[in-house]
Amino acid sequence: DIQVTQSPSSLSVSVGDTVTITCRASQNIHTFLNWYQQKPGKAPKFLIYAASTLQSGVPSRFSGSGSGTDFTLTISSLQPEDFATYYCQQSYGILSFGGGTKVEI
Amino acid sequence: QVRLQESGSGLVKPSETLSLTCTISGGSFSNSYWGWLRQPPGKGLEWLGDIFYTGSTNYNPSVKSRVTISIDTSKNQFSLKMRSVTAADTAVYYCVREYSFSSGYAFDLWGQGTLVTVSS
Repeated sequence: DIQVTQSPSSLSVSVGDTVTITCRASQNIHTFLNWYQQKPGKAPKFLIYAASTLQSGVPSRFSGSGSGTDFTLTISSLQPEDFATYYCQQSYGILSFGGGTKVEI
Repeated sequence: QVRLQESGSGLVKPSETLSLTCTISGGSFSNSYWGWLRQPPGKGLEWLGDIFYTGSTNYNPSVKSRVTISIDTSKNQFSLKMRSVTAADTAVYYCVREYSFSSGYAFDLWGQGTLVTVSS
């Protein structure tokens, strides 16, 4: 099975900050990596696919990069509505998620 | 606008069978995979399995021996059955649509989720 490790597990930030979340796969998954945002009590929202392609309607302050085993989600100029938990998900093997990163004040 | 809605029992006794149904509204099964995920309280997400509109299925090995996913195209529904449940199966269960693209699959459409508690 492919293991996906996210870091950090949580981070405290302020509105206007730039946030970087890392996802590392246990083997080469090329660009088979997606990102989601989840707010408390809600279903996750699909943000980015193929490591760097923004889903329609997602603000341009969100960006993704990486290939192989190391990937990054960057949120530029953090907005109040961006406080949430973020998950990466690989689809190269059995579909699986990272453990999540909680972005909080 | 396509929407997904989970329904089923919110309380299941240990050793019994969990049964959930997902109803698709505003669209059809078309050429997509449809799946189930779960999220234990305060924890991360786990993919359980999926089904193609033709009825072909895939399962996570971690639950494969206990799970069956089926489809009823006439009702625009697909279902999850999980046998021999324990407290560890307590979670919010989501039905999803799996979006296929050149670099794999992503979950682009989600139901609101339904909490299933396993308790006597």
